[in-house]
Amino acid sequence: QQQVKQSPQSLIVQKGGISIINCAYENTAFDYFPWYQQFPGKGPALLIAIRPDVSEKKEGRFTISFNKSAKQFSLHIMDSQPGDSATYFCAASKGTDKLIFGTGTRLQVFP
Amino acid sequence: NAGVTQTPKFRVLKTGQSMTLLCAQDMNHEYMYWYRQDPGMGLRLIHYSVGEGTTAKGEVPDGYNVSRLKKQNFLLGLESAAPSQTSVYFCASSTDPPSETEAFFGQGTRLTVV
Repeated sequence: QQQVKQSPQSLIVQKGGISIINCAYENTAFDYFPWYQQFPGKGPALLIAIRPDVSEKKEGRFTISFNKSAKQFSLHIMDSQPGDSATYFCAASKGTDKLIFGTGTRLQVFP
Repeated sequence: NAGVTQTPKFRVLKTGQSMTLLCAQDMNHEYMYWYRQDPGMGLRLIHYSVGEGTTAKGEVPDGYNVSRLKKQNFLLGLESAAPSQTSVYFCASSTDPPSETEAFFGQGTRLTVV
């Protein structure tokens, strides 16, 4: 039972382009939606996170868009760079419960 | 600043063998977690702990046991390894519940069961 569905599985973007990764969730009780970034051979690290009381959060080139009614949220990477090439995981949690991760998106940014 | 350290980094086991993966954190975090990462499956929670002396089951606990005898250490045991347990294992810790703060991950243990 996949509580957080993530797409696409892989994404290839040219340098300077916009990378978009989407996630959908089922449990309306989720109240915290982080994105984690993982480089090859490393553990995931928190990139950016949002709560459902706002529709968008921006940190530098990274933006989370949140649509509560559609139960969807997405990560936008503006001006994508080769250094952004990594696997990205969305996640969700409710209250003090554990994080539920999506299946991951492997992003490759070519020069 | 070590953060979260996992030992060992690589291991090959024969079916039926046992082993223990060690996770150590030096951030005085209350919460610790063990995940496994498989292609196309994302990160799945095996077991977690909300404090010293406590453990709880996650999504995929079968075939694994854990112990949190000391606050800084979280051990993951495989009593009788199976090829289905071939995976990359990650330990993580956080100071507060995962809905309120960042989880810090170790660098992973790549386990192959043959």
